[in-house]
Amino acid sequence: EVQLLESGGDLVQPGGSLRLSCAASGFTFSSSAMSWVRQAPGKGLEWVSTFSATTSNTYYADSVKGRFTVSRDNSKNTLCLQMNSLRAEDTAVYYCAKHRGNSVGYREGDYWGQGTLVTVSS
Amino acid sequence: DIQLTQSPSFLSASVGDRVTITCRASQGISSYLAWYQQTPEKAPKLLIYAASTLQSGVPSRFSGSGSGTEFTLTISSLQPEDFATYYCQQVNSYPLTFGAGTKVEIK
Repeated sequence: EVQLLESGGDLVQPGGSLRLSCAASGFTFSSSAMSWVRQAPGKGLEWVSTFSATTSNTYYADSVKGRFTVSRDNSKNTLCLQMNSLRAEDTAVYYCAKHRGNSVGYREGDYWGQGTLVTVSS
Repeated sequence: DIQLTQSPSFLSASVGDRVTITCRASQGISSYLAWYQQTPEKAPKLLIYAASTLQSGVPSRFSGSGSGTEFTLTISSLQPEDFATYYCQQVNSYPLTFGAGTKVEIK
């Protein structure tokens, strides 16, 4: 059974940093592209970042580029999101999602974690 | 960036109704479109990928169609568990983008 478990969400002050983790099990993590998607309170879904499995390329939304860094540890089946220079508008539930595949047309999230809440406030 | 426009943003319907939601892309994305369902406090659930392929385990009352810039999600006979918010997502190119969502509520 595929399981994704996010952790690391917390209350942090503007300008602060936080590191989110997503522990994966039930599938071959090392060969799966993974994404972070967030949802601000009462708002829609926003794609944040993707770490490709086959090319090790990373992709970011303009809203987080230069502040957030996605990484993965295939030996620990873990995806991470390092978030720096946090802003109030980064407040959201952050989900990790496994892509259905690794190429164009397979980037849908077929499995999602339960999410972890990040609150940026003074 | 590819923008996705969903309509309507809200709809009120009854159990048994046929419901159609539209998603328009700002440029052609072939069939690289997915649909998700989200209920309150839950993670999104993949319903349809490649515009019209039903994800495993999803009831057959859900169907998707379209290609290029115009896509639809249809629920043939709305069930109580279908009252939720639905999102489209383009997976043609980065940045991946979502529509703003369509909330389906009970009439």
